[in-house]
Amino acid sequence: DSGVTQTPKHLITATGQRVTLRCSPRSGDLSVYWYQQSLDQGLQFLIQYYNGEERAKGNILERFSAQQFPDLHSELNLSSLELGDSALYFCASSGWGRADYNEQFFGPGTRLTVL
Amino acid sequence: AQTVTQSQPEMSVQEAETVTLSCTYDTSESDYYLFWYKQPPSRQMILVIRQEAYKQQNATENRFSVNFQKAAKSFSLKISDSQLGDAAMYFCAYRSSMNYGGSQGNLIFGKGTKLSVKP
Repeated sequence: DSGVTQTPKHLITATGQRVTLRCSPRSGDLSVYWYQQSLDQGLQFLIQYYNGEERAKGNILERFSAQQFPDLHSELNLSSLELGDSALYFCASSGWGRADYNEQFFGPGTRLTVL
Repeated sequence: AQTVTQSQPEMSVQEAETVTLSCTYDTSESDYYLFWYKQPPSRQMILVIRQEAYKQQNATENRFSVNFQKAAKSFSLKISDSQLGDAAMYFCAYRSSMNYGGSQGNLIFGKGTKLSVKP
């Protein structure tokens, strides 16, 4: 158990809909990363937050947005969903000043299926 | 931009034998980190081993070791005494050593190698 939690585990929805994925980082970790794993694109970095502020953006679509709240949990919002958005979405966290700060710890992922 | 390439989509090994998974990367940075992650059928991403580029000594973790060739930009994973539980997707990943006000950067992954272990 990495200590990172993600909800829900599975999500099935229709095209055009909007969903929210939630992530709680390890206790004390300030950084949260979102990654998308799809069959055709592999594992891609979407976006990073650090202590509530956006730090870096990767290949994140304009239909997607994220935020990190004061309690450090993060949400990834996906709107106007398309079939191609079906993927496994991972959240990872890391902490500064910890012995394992060079590692990113992954949650179990949310499997999104768009029908 | 940095890239990571895993040229072996699939590999197979006999139980108790040794297998080596290949990874090459491209970067203009001199300091960085390299990782191997394992993804079993459960889909959980599990860190197998980490290598700091400034360290010349190859990292080892029990049956897992790496061959880090900085000049060649090569980072292979050797699994010794393969076990059935080693069957999984293996991802090579790169991360810049640059830190942004206390936060590390994101991981850049290769496409992965699917390892099968035959009993």
